[in-house]
Amino acid sequence: DAKTTQPPSMDCAEGRAANLPCNHSTISGNEYVYWYRQIHSQGPQYIIHGLKNNETNEMASLIITEDRKSSTLILPHATLRDTAVYYCIVRVVYGGTSYGKLTFGQGTILTVHP
Amino acid sequence: DAGITQSPRHKVTETGTPVTLRCHQTENHRYMYWYRQDPGHGLRLIHYSYGVKDTDKGEVSDGYSVSRSKTEDFLLTLESATSSQTSVYFCAISESRRGSYEQYFGPGTRLTVT
Repeated sequence: DAKTTQPPSMDCAEGRAANLPCNHSTISGNEYVYWYRQIHSQGPQYIIHGLKNNETNEMASLIITEDRKSSTLILPHATLRDTAVYYCIVRVVYGGTSYGKLTFGQGTILTVHP
Repeated sequence: DAGITQSPRHKVTETGTPVTLRCHQTENHRYMYWYRQDPGHGLRLIHYSYGVKDTDKGEVSDGYSVSRSKTEDFLLTLESATSSQTSVYFCAISESRRGSYEQYFGPGTRLTVT
């Protein structure tokens, strides 16, 4: 699976959009981009994933560049409860015997301030 | 909530004793995983299962064994606990939806080996 690079930490004001970048310059054509987050002491929580089109759900939006070498997770109106570690993961979906395994990096610590 | 429970939630044990952690799911998902999380290392995959009696090793499997005799339960056993196995253990499940494996995590078990 391709490696990802994320900033170690970011700050955001409550009510503003939080834009979390992820670089995955070695991504292959059959790899998806997944985002998870982990709020202190809890299990990681799935947020969103995408292949090449932008995606939006009730939690966030995912913007993937045309060359797919980077992506941005957008939390449109951050709240204090969005303070967490955010993980960007790329992994093969089709083929092989990956069985859905995930490799977590260090992620980005997002702190939302009042 | 993906119907995942872990037991016990907290355990303190002595070096050399056997320990079994249980992951239970209620939604008949095929894939199950055990991760450990330590400061400075993030989440690391210990073992995973792709069906009843079908299991395989992850990246940090030494000192651990697993069993899955029925769909809903995935057991992680430390045959002889060591202090290096003090960690937070997370169970996860996933299901393949058109090739996408979104993982959902349990609440975690905090294990201390003295």
